[in-house]
Amino acid sequence: SQTIHQWPATLVQPVGSPLSLECTVEGTSNPNLYWYRQAAGRGLQLLFYSVGIGQISSEVPQNLSASRPQDRQFILSSKKLLLSDSGFYLCAWSVRLAGGEQYFGPGTRLTVT
Amino acid sequence: QKEVEQNSGPLSVPEGAIASLNCTYSDRVSQSFFWYRQYSGKSPELIMSIYSNGDKEDGRFTAQLNKASQYVSLLIRDSQPSDSATYLCAVTSDTNSGYALNFGKGTSLLVTP
Repeated sequence: SQTIHQWPATLVQPVGSPLSLECTVEGTSNPNLYWYRQAAGRGLQLLFYSVGIGQISSEVPQNLSASRPQDRQFILSSKKLLLSDSGFYLCAWSVRLAGGEQYFGPGTRLTVT
Repeated sequence: QKEVEQNSGPLSVPEGAIASLNCTYSDRVSQSFFWYRQYSGKSPELIMSIYSNGDKEDGRFTAQLNKASQYVSLLIRDSQPSDSATYLCAVTSDTNSGYALNFGKGTSLLVTP
């Protein structure tokens, strides 16, 4: 069966510090991978998606970046965090080119102070 | 702008009753429709998917889709206190980047004993 992992689970970082969040998927190959953010009182917002190794598309302009160094690994990064980067970061996977179900990882709750 | 609209609630129903959750979407070419359940502080969990007009039943859950009216709903029969959560409606199509999901902001459901 497929499993998706995210770490860390929670993170408190000062403004201006760097960020690295990691997501890995087990039990499937060639998945579509997504990063979403859920800010307090707001819906889930797509940040990045990837259809393959090294292929990253960004949906919103921001100070975040993403990378996919391996087929089942997706990383979200920032060089300098802003207060507005606080939120619940969720990684999700789906079967490539299917438009089907997406499954979410447990999430990382980020607080920027 | 592709929009997915849900009443924020809270929707309060007594234990054993039917809970009815509604969602409308603006993108007429939407193809895939999903309901996620999100407990407070947790990540969204997929509970239903529906792709064609009509009803789809899975246990106590029934999803209903009407593409002509751009409307999707979720019925929960024999509601239990453990069903108390926020229910997210999500929609996608092949015009969405990487088949990413467009989410509504969710409806909060409270099932009272």
